[in-house]
Amino acid sequence: DGGITQSPKYLFRKEGQNVTLSCEQNLNHDAMYWYRQDPGQGLRLIYYSQIVNDFQKGDIAEGYSVSREKKESFPLTVTSAQKNPTAFYLCASRVSSATNEKLFFGSGTQLSVL
Amino acid sequence: GENVEQHPSTLSVQEGDSAVIKCTYSDSASNYFPWYKQELGKRPQLIIDIRSNVGEKKDQRIAVTLNKTAKHFSLHITETQPEDSAVYFCAAADTGNQFYFGTGTSLTVIP
Repeated sequence: DGGITQSPKYLFRKEGQNVTLSCEQNLNHDAMYWYRQDPGQGLRLIYYSQIVNDFQKGDIAEGYSVSREKKESFPLTVTSAQKNPTAFYLCASRVSSATNEKLFFGSGTQLSVL
Repeated sequence: GENVEQHPSTLSVQEGDSAVIKCTYSDSASNYFPWYKQELGKRPQLIIDIRSNVGEKKDQRIAVTLNKTAKHFSLHITETQPEDSAVYFCAAADTGNQFYFGTGTSLTVIP
């Protein structure tokens, strides 16, 4: 199923609560990404990481945090500072190679606010 | 940064007809252009891609063309089938590992 696993499939957040979305890959990919998808909009980059223990902010990083302690794992925390968190969140990964740019996606997590 | 625009936002075609989706990009440093198909509630799936040193690529009923000078690229689907109905996204990427996505085209193939 693509080797990228996201969990949970559905997640509900209460006001003021932090929640963490899991992303695990067994493809031995170097780079991992988090995107947010809202209806009628494209995929917007939240954070990405090219190697372990390193990550960079994307276009909409405010209210989110990540870690990359292991090559296989890139969890995303949606903090209480993110005032409009309801969206479909997609994790992706790829080999960091100038000749192999293919980006593969996980199955996504739908986050909703209670 | 890069700006990718995609048109149209919705497209309806009769089964068997062709569908064309167009994207433009702004950064001449972009050198990789993938297309993704996303069915409702599912992950985007890569369907075809093209690198900047190639002008056209074809895979059965799907083809992509790239005009580097004009900074635009297009997806062509021939002999459309109902299972082609989905949202299609274009993207542009550079060697910096960042991917920039269009806003998507919802394609409906009418049987």
